[in-house]
Amino acid sequence: KNEVEQSPQNLTAQEGEFITINCSYSVGISALHWLQQHPGGGIVSLFMLSSGKKKHGRLIATINIQEKHSSLHITASHPRDSAVYICAASGGYQKVTFGTGTKLQVIP
Amino acid sequence: DVKVTQSSRYLVKRTGEKVFLECVQDMDHENMFWYRQDPGLGLRLIYFSYDVKMKEKGDIPEGYSVSREKKERFSLILESASTNQTSMYLCASSSDSHSNQPQHFGDGTRLSIL
Repeated sequence: KNEVEQSPQNLTAQEGEFITINCSYSVGISALHWLQQHPGGGIVSLFMLSSGKKKHGRLIATINIQEKHSSLHITASHPRDSAVYICAASGGYQKVTFGTGTKLQVIP
Repeated sequence: DVKVTQSSRYLVKRTGEKVFLECVQDMDHENMFWYRQDPGLGLRLIYFSYDVKMKEKGDIPEGYSVSREKKERFSLILESASTNQTSMYLCASSSDSHSNQPQHFGDGTRLSIL
């Protein structure tokens, strides 16, 4: 069983829809990361959080430490949001465990 | 902005060849990492380095070695390439081993071993 589980694996949405991607982890963490990978490979860090909630533009990330669960929300989704979203749990000293990713496609 | 540059986006090599993948970062980061990414498996750590000439094995080091002679450059070496090393390889760097700083990734090298 993967230490970091994401759901769903694949997601197709209509432009404008509200999107939620979920991440559950079984390891002890000091921080939870959300990453975005566009076709072609490059990975960009979206959020790093250890408690509560963070917002950047249309993206919101939340974490519940007690339940070992995090969510990434995208409001008013747009085709340019189409990418793979990866959840990663870091346990200190740069030990990072990655989820397998959620492939999002937003259709115009 | 941090820039992590991988020397090739696409690379095709033959079984048995010695393959070098190069990675350079321009932000004086202490830590550098090599991952491979395969469908359904996510990113897996091959090796990392926390200082010049220092290296530590990750989760899947077999068949690979690394070199860090200068702080900005971290090389991944496939000593004798095999077809099961066909994958996407991603290099990353970060600034501080104790404070969970985000890792900054390169664009990846898609390596095919024929």
